[in-house]
Amino acid sequence: TQLLEQSPQFLSIQEGENLTVYCNSSSVFSSLQWYRQEPGEGPVLLVTVVTGGEVKKLKRLTFQFGDARKDSSLHITAAQPGDTGLYLCAGARAGGTSYGKLTFGQGTILTVHP
Amino acid sequence: DVKVTQSSRYLVKRTGEKAFLECVQDMDHENMFWYRQDPGLGLRLIYFSYDVKMKEKGDIPEGYSVSREKKERFSLILESASTNQTSMYLCASSLRGAPGNTIYFGEGSWLTVV
Repeated sequence: TQLLEQSPQFLSIQEGENLTVYCNSSSVFSSLQWYRQEPGEGPVLLVTVVTGGEVKKLKRLTFQFGDARKDSSLHITAAQPGDTGLYLCAGARAGGTSYGKLTFGQGTILTVHP
Repeated sequence: DVKVTQSSRYLVKRTGEKAFLECVQDMDHENMFWYRQDPGLGLRLIYFSYDVKMKEKGDIPEGYSVSREKKERFSLILESASTNQTSMYLCASSLRGAPGNTIYFGEGSWLTVV
C-alpha cells in the first residue's frame, strides 16, 4: 500500500520555467523530507519540514508542509538544467517509533532542457 | 565527510544462488536500513536495524534476511535469489531519535538475477 502519492511522475520542461511537485497522503506525518537523487547515486536530503503550514526556501526551491501535515509540495522557480534528477518525498508517520523509518513516494523524474 | 559505503555496486547472480550485500557506515549511527528502489515504486523498506543484533521487518521482507553483528555494518542476504529481486538496493543510516533525523544513503547496489 502506497501511503504517499507523488505527482507528477514525469516532468519535462524548458530552462527558466517554474514547476511544482506534489506529495499527498491520507495519513498524518510527524515530518516530511524531500530528497534529490542523481543517476548512479543515492538520494540526498534537501529539506525536512516538521510543523504544519511550514514553508522552507532553499535558493530557488520552496517547500511547503500542509496545515494538516498530510501533504507537501516542492516548487522550483526558473528551473535550470542542473535541477534535473529524481525528486522523492518521504514521510515519518505520526505516532510511530523514533527509529527514523520513512515512507517514500514514487518519485518525480524532472528533466530540464537547456 | 559522512559516508555510507556499499561494497558491491554491480552484482549478477543466477536464480537460486545466494547474494550478499554489505554496507558500512562511519558515522556511529544507531539506525541502519536496507531499501530497494524500483521505477514507479519509489523506495521500499526491506529491513531496518536500530542497534547491534536488533532488526525489524520493513514493508517487503519476504525473501530477504539481514545481519548486524557490529554497529557500523549491516548486511542484506538473499539466500536463494529470484528474478523478481532484480533491483537497485540502497543502504542507509541515521541517528536514533526524532523521526526527522537525516538519513544518509549509500550509492546503491545494482543486483541482476538471471
